[in-house]
Amino acid sequence: AQSVTQLDSHVSVSEGTPVLLRCNYSSSYSPSLFWYVQHPNKGLQLLLKYTSAATLVKGINGFEAEFKKSETSFHLTKPSAHMSDAAEYFCVVSSGYDSWGKLQFGAGTQVVVTP
Amino acid sequence: ETGVTQSPTHLIKTRGQQVTLRCSSQSGHNTVSWYQQALGQGPQFIFQYYREEENGRGNFPPRFSGLQFPNYSSELNVNALELDDSALYLCASSLVGTASVSYTFGSGTRLTVV
Repeated sequence: AQSVTQLDSHVSVSEGTPVLLRCNYSSSYSPSLFWYVQHPNKGLQLLLKYTSAATLVKGINGFEAEFKKSETSFHLTKPSAHMSDAAEYFCVVSSGYDSWGKLQFGAGTQVVVTP
Repeated sequence: ETGVTQSPTHLIKTRGQQVTLRCSSQSGHNTVSWYQQALGQGPQFIFQYYREEENGRGNFPPRFSGLQFPNYSSELNVNALELDDSALYLCASSLVGTASVSYTFGSGTRLTVV
């Protein structure tokens, strides 16, 4: 079984300040973890993914995430928010041979960036 | 390489009707998955197709069905539409069999049931 919990439904940051989006997961097997971003009325864009290689994963647009097995966490960070970062962010887990293709999404975190 | 294309982008149907949504996979991908995203929620896994057969299904009733064609394109069919079927339907293609699987999503079809 696998599940994802995004700890914040809304995050508001000022432009130029750091962004932290928190995600905890549970998985019966070694998980693959992803962060996706969804802008209004758009599809999902992959920011980054973890698949058992380096625990610190760098993604697009300055985002990065750290896989911490002991804490079952995969938090997403960005050092300096930009107005274009305003969107919905989803933490996603996929685990186990019988689960490939079945992505389990968190409920999402809405990010608001203020000038 | 081409991305994932979904059609139509928007659709309005009446309760009880049937609908077919279409998805063209990214070039080189062999697997397609469908997700339902209700307003304000994360996407929910409907089912996945690999080698033209259903290979995994989420908690959706049988009136949700699908097809995958030899060119890896896919259809999602929903019969006896209900108001709660109103959602954004997302298609994702992937290449299974590699060490690191990536999923590419289309922009979705917005279905409104009235």
